[in-house]
Amino acid sequence: GQNIDQPTEMTATEGAIVQINCTYQTSGFNGLFWYQQHAGEAPTFLSYNVLDGLEEKGRFSSFLSRSKGYSYLLLKELQMKDSASYLCAVRVLNNAGNMLTFGGGTRLMVKP
Amino acid sequence: DGGITQSPKYLFRKEGQNVTLSCEQNLNHDAMYWYRQDPGQGLRLIYYSQIVNDFQKGDIAEGYSVSREKKESFPLTVTSAQKNPTAFYLCASSSPGTSGNNEQYFGPGTRLTVT
Repeated sequence: GQNIDQPTEMTATEGAIVQINCTYQTSGFNGLFWYQQHAGEAPTFLSYNVLDGLEEKGRFSSFLSRSKGYSYLLLKELQMKDSASYLCAVRVLNNAGNMLTFGGGTRLMVKP
Repeated sequence: DGGITQSPKYLFRKEGQNVTLSCEQNLNHDAMYWYRQDPGQGLRLIYYSQIVNDFQKGDIAEGYSVSREKKESFPLTVTSAQKNPTAFYLCASSSPGTSGNNEQYFGPGTRLTVT
């Protein structure tokens, strides 16, 4: 099976930078996704990494190291609306196609 | 507009009753999924379907059933055998390919409360 770990909660200040880590143990790794989920709403896609390195998308960046089983999501210039849960999800190659296994999510609270 | 719809947003049932949650998508996706989310937790996979008329159990299928008679629809029935049915249920869909940025798109969710 897969094991995905991320911190349960984090707090940061508006305008600052925060890094949310995700570690995973899996076989047949085939990509890592980050989703944002506001309370009571559907998760929305943020980023995707399958090769080592950094993917930048505006204020959000995501990094992957496959050898270390490690990823992080970097949020810059934090805004109050960034308060949400951030879900790390791993895709593995198997007969079931495009399957994702999710971590428990990191709830980020942005304070003024 | 293309997307995934789930209805209703809030659902209340008495213990011992079966209840069916709807999920419809017009994204022309072959694959559809049902997840359960408990407070402060991540998503756990209940059932998935890669193609019409076929579906597979996920990690927590006990007490649930699904059907996939049409490409657009993947209803989930929460049966009385499910011991802790109160949760937030999310439906998702995607293309079936496993390469590239093939994200899953999520519906708005149904919050089920069983008393």
